[in-house]
Amino acid sequence: EPEVTQTPSHQVTQMGQEVILRCVPISNHLYFYWYRQILGQKVEFLVSFYNNEISEKSEIFDDQFSVERPDGSNFTLKIRSTKLEDSAMYFCASSDQTGRPEAFFGQGTRLTVV
Amino acid sequence: GDSVTQMEGPVTLSEEAFLTINCTYTATGYPSLFWYVQYPGEGLQLLLKATKADDKGSNKGFEATYRKETTSFHLEKGSVQVSDSAVYFCALRGVAGANSKLTFGKGITLSVRP
Repeated sequence: EPEVTQTPSHQVTQMGQEVILRCVPISNHLYFYWYRQILGQKVEFLVSFYNNEISEKSEIFDDQFSVERPDGSNFTLKIRSTKLEDSAMYFCASSDQTGRPEAFFGQGTRLTVV
Repeated sequence: GDSVTQMEGPVTLSEEAFLTINCTYTATGYPSLFWYVQYPGEGLQLLLKATKADDKGSNKGFEATYRKETTSFHLEKGSVQVSDSAVYFCALRGVAGANSKLTFGKGITLSVRP
């Protein structure tokens, strides 16, 4: 069964460093998302992406965040200058264009900023 | 804006007990409703969904009915197993767009003891 894959599964970075989280969505999907889950808290929406542009973003998704689809398969989230409060589990998701409302999630990348 | 409220947890049950996890929502129109499950060390998996009022979603013995009049989508299972131990998230997708963001509840941890 097709699935969303994310790499790495765990990343540790120093405060102020740039990180790139990578995702390979399901191949025939056209809508892509990033969510995050700070330990013990709810899953929060960051950004959605369609047709090579951001379609919606939350207040969390400020100028230090960016997303890109550099080729036909990858979807990346870049955090330019990480802060301690960016430590969280980051989930990539994708959904198709057939009208089914559900999104399919990857395993997540646990980002730890020290 | 859209919101999802889940009952406070955690919940601990004995095997074969009946499970109910409450979920209520606030949204305009008729959102799509979901339950996602997160097993230890894994990502978010779609458990079941309902897209219109009075729809019943079901999967793996779990059921939830879309109740427009009470704006609820409570999750039930008649006889839980140890393998059902996980975190359960109620979520909705609003009517703003076919592939708009998901809004999640806080999640509730279920532990089932033998």
